[in-house]
Amino acid sequence: AQSVTQLDSQVPVFEEAPVELRCNYSSSVSVYLFWYVQYPNQGLQLLLKYLSGSTLVESINGFEAEFNKSQTSFHLRKPSVHISDTAEYFCAVSGVGNEKLTFGTGTRLTIIP
Amino acid sequence: DADVTQTPRNRITKTGKRIMLECSQTKGHDRMYWYRQDPGLGLRLIYYSFDVKDINKGEISDGYSVSRQAQAKFSLSLESAIPNQTALYFCATRDVLGYTFGSGTRLTVV
Repeated sequence: AQSVTQLDSQVPVFEEAPVELRCNYSSSVSVYLFWYVQYPNQGLQLLLKYLSGSTLVESINGFEAEFNKSQTSFHLRKPSVHISDTAEYFCAVSGVGNEKLTFGTGTRLTIIP
Repeated sequence: DADVTQTPRNRITKTGKRIMLECSQTKGHDRMYWYRQDPGLGLRLIYYSFDVKDINKGEISDGYSVSRQAQAKFSLSLESAIPNQTALYFCATRDVLGYTFGSGTRLTVV
């Protein structure tokens, strides 16, 4: 069995401030980890993913996440947010060899001008 | 054209009606999935399919059925819609690199 916990349902942040969205997972097997973003009234878009190799992964729009196996975490960070980052962010886990992608409950990021 | 296309984008239906949500993909993936999204609950898996002859229940399959008409098409049906099936529904495909989601179908059951 696998599960994902996103403890923060809403995170308000001032524009140009740094942000961290927390994600913890549990799984009995090795995992693949994902962050998806959902902009208002749109579908899900893959933001970044960890499959193997370097534990620090980056997206094209300045987000990064680090896989920490000992803490079973995959927190998402950005050093300076913009209004356009306003969205809901979902962390997801898939066990290696497991077909199911399990999502967290999401974190709504609100940028304050 | 989008890699994963869902129709309709929005639908309002009455309690007890049968409704079908359709999904088609151009990525050539064997694996297809149906999820529903509810506020505060994230996305939950309804059904998934490895190929045309392989259909599997997800965590919340009660009240739903699916049909894999071809590799590219995977439909979700609500045989008798009820109000708590009001949600945003997503179709997805998968390959070794990850999942691709459609834009979603917003279904309202009144």
